[in-house]
Order: sequence, then C-alpha cells, then structure tokens
Amino acid sequence: KQEVTQIPAALSVPEGENLVLNCSFTDSAIYNLQWFRQDPGKGLTSLLLIQSSQREQTSGRLNASLDKSSGRSTLYIAASQPGDSATYLCAVEDSSYKLIFGSGTRLLVRP
Amino acid sequence: EAGVVQSPRYKIIEKKQPVAFWCNPISGHNTLYWYRQNLGQGPELLIRYENEEAVDDSQLPKDRFSAERLKGVDSTLKIQPAELGDSAVYLCASRLEMAGGSNEQFFGPGTRLTVL
Repeated sequence: KQEVTQIPAALSVPEGENLVLNCSFTDSAIYNLQWFRQDPGKGLTSLLLIQSSQREQTSGRLNASLDKSSGRSTLYIAASQPGDSATYLCAVEDSSYKLIFGSGTRLLVRP
Repeated sequence: EAGVVQSPRYKIIEKKQPVAFWCNPISGHNTLYWYRQNLGQGPELLIRYENEEAVDDSQLPKDRFSAERLKGVDSTLKIQPAELGDSAVYLCASRLEMAGGSNEQFFGPGTRLTVL
C-alpha cells in the first residue's frame, strides 16, 4: 500500500529565505507526482506536476525534483515571501489513477 | 475558463440528517473525483468517475454514502444518515484523461461539513 510522508509538518522562516519541503513515498511504481498549495479554507491549487520519466519541473520561484528510485521528491522555494504562507501537499498518482496525498507541510513566512 | 464549482461551500447539520453536495467539473473534463479531507490531513479519494461510470468506489462507505454523475457532467455526493465522524471538507476534482499521458487534477473550493 502506497504511503506518502511529508517532512517537516510545519515550518516557519523569515522572508527572503530559500527553503526545501520534503516528500517521500513507499512504492516507486507511480505515474506522476504533484505538488499542491492549499490556503486556509480553500481548495487545492496545483503547483507542479512531474511525470514519472522526468527528474524535475520549474515554475517561477518553485522547483520540484523527483527521484523515483529512492521514493523522494523535494519542493524548493526560492526567496520566500509572506504570500507563500500556506499548506503544501505532495501527492503521487498510482497505477489505478488515484492520487495519494501526504499530510502536508504548513509553511509560515514571517515578514 | 471557469474552474471546478462546488456547492454549498458550508453545511451544518444535526447527526442522522441527510446531506448532499454538488460538483460541476471543468467543461470537457471526462474524469471526476470526490475526496474527503479531515482536519490536518491530506485528501483521501472516495470515488472516481470516468464519464458517467464509477470506476473506483472502493473507499466509499456504501452503507451511508452514495454518488451519481448523470450524463457524465456534474455530480452529487450524498450522505444519509450523517454521523459525527463525517465532519470534514469534501473536495471535488476533475481532469481530462488522455491516452498515453497523465495530467493534473483541478480541485474545487470544497464543501465544509459540520455534523453536530
């Protein structure tokens, strides 16, 4: 059974700092991995999707990497801003087209 | 382009009462998902539709939950009767599935259910 773990559960950093969020999964047989952002009381916004054949994806200040063999992904946020404060969720899609989510990392960027 | 629409956004009911949630996916998206998200957790899949067919309902508590997607467009998720443990956010997502590729799911804002 696929399990997704995100570390740390919560993170507080000063504005301007670069940071890394970690995601690990137990079964390397995935179709893709997706990073989402969730603001309080809101739905999920897709940030980056990495296909199983890819190693990384970039969008603006965000860079996500995927190492399928070791079951790990990282989300790198450069020059963090208070507006980046949110919960970041990692999810892997398995062979049955189902997304399996981690519990998320709650990020607070202090002005 | 409109995103995934869900209603209501909030619902408060007494236990043992019925409740229904509605979702309208992004136009043209053939696959629709219902997820449940408990506080402090990631979403968990309840049911997945391809067009009007429920292709994965293995995690739907069928004794009290039901869902339908008539005509393969919008969908309704129902709980009857609701229990205290059903308090959660119910999220709908849609995707255009294409042969030979996988692409992202788009999520609606969710319905926050509180059962008293």
